[in-house]
Amino acid sequence: DAKTTQPPSMDCAEGRAANLPCNHSTISGNEYVYWYRQIHSQGPQYIIHGLKNNETNEMASLIITEDRKSSTLILPHATLRDTAVYYCIVGFNTNAGKSTFGDGTTLTVKP
Amino acid sequence: DAGVIQSPRHEVTEMGQEVTLRCKLISGHNSLFWYRQTMMRGLELLIYFNNNVPIDDSGMPEDRFSAKMPNASFSTLKIQPSEPRDSAVYFCASTNRDRVRNGYTFGSGTRLTVV
Repeated sequence: DAKTTQPPSMDCAEGRAANLPCNHSTISGNEYVYWYRQIHSQGPQYIIHGLKNNETNEMASLIITEDRKSSTLILPHATLRDTAVYYCIVGFNTNAGKSTFGDGTTLTVKP
Repeated sequence: DAGVIQSPRHEVTEMGQEVTLRCKLISGHNSLFWYRQTMMRGLELLIYFNNNVPIDDSGMPEDRFSAKMPNASFSTLKIQPSEPRDSAVYFCASTNRDRVRNGYTFGSGTRLTVV
């Protein structure tokens, strides 16, 4: 499975958009990009995933570059409750749980 | 839907004792994953099952660790004998392998402390 690179930490002002980048330059053609987040002391929570096209759901948007070597998770209006560690992982849709989570990005939303 | 249920939430045990962690899958899910999280190593996959069958246990650290799925909705992770370095938060996650696009649902974890 492809590995990912994320910045260790980011800050965002409450109410503003949070844009979290992820590099996955070794991703293969049929590997998906998944995003999870982990709020302190809780289990990871699935956010969104995509293959090639941009995706949007009630939690976030996922923008995947045309070459698929990087992606950006967008939280359109960050709240204090969005403070968490965000993990970007790549994997085949049949065993994405086998992929390495990495260190993620610690997003701190500030008032 | 009650989600993935793990028990106990916290476990403190003495070195050398047997520890059993439990996980109840979401109804209809047929894939089960056990993870371990520590500050040093982050979130590590230990083992995963599809339809009650262990598929990959390469992440299981030692023979002291064993995992089972006695039925389609329940799994146990056993450590025998336990050691202080096993102290960590253990998560299980489940999904429906045929609809994995819905992502994986994690339990709240079991915080294990071995003294």
